[in-house]
Amino acid sequence: KNQVEQSPQSLIILEGKNCTLQCNYTVSPFSNLRWYKQDTGRGPVSLTIMTFSENTKSNGRYTATLDADTKQSSLHITASQLSDSASYICVVSAKTGTASKLTFGTGTRLQVTL
Amino acid sequence: EPEVTQTPSHQVTQMGQEVILRCVPISNHLYFYWYRQILGQKVEFLVSFYNNEISEKSEIFDDQFSVERPDGSNFTLKIRSTKLEDSAMYFCASSTLGPANTGELFFGEGSRLTVL
Repeated sequence: KNQVEQSPQSLIILEGKNCTLQCNYTVSPFSNLRWYKQDTGRGPVSLTIMTFSENTKSNGRYTATLDADTKQSSLHITASQLSDSASYICVVSAKTGTASKLTFGTGTRLQVTL
Repeated sequence: EPEVTQTPSHQVTQMGQEVILRCVPISNHLYFYWYRQILGQKVEFLVSFYNNEISEKSEIFDDQFSVERPDGSNFTLKIRSTKLEDSAMYFCASSTLGPANTGELFFGEGSRLTVL
């Protein structure tokens, strides 16, 4: 069964600090991996999309890495801001014939404080 | 910036009642999806829709659920006879490419369904 596991479950950091969120997956055959930011009560917003051949991808202060061999990804947030407080969700797409679907992780709840 | 819009933002209904959740995807998108998120849990796939038909559905999407694109712009999710466990946030999403490609998936703000 396709699964996506994220750690930590929650994290509290001081404003201005960096943090790294982890994602492990067992989705096969792998197509792509996405990181989303979800504010409380809102829809997920895409941060990055990575394919098998991409190791690193940045979007502003967000940098995602992908190791397709170990089936791991990380999301690094640099110089955190209060507005970074949200859930960060790792989502992996499997390609299964002509149809495909996304497998969502449970998310890491990040709280940035003063 | 184009966005996916959903209505209603919140609906409260009695168990056994029919509910229709509405979505207006981004106009040039071809793939449409419904997801749900039970409070405190992860987002779960319900159904994908392409070329006016269901392309894939999950085990959650049983006979009580149906989707329709009645007029080329709206994309609706109908729950025929709601159960308590249908209480969740329902997200509509759309994309230009299927998720096996790298097309970005745009989510709406969600419709919160509360079944009493």
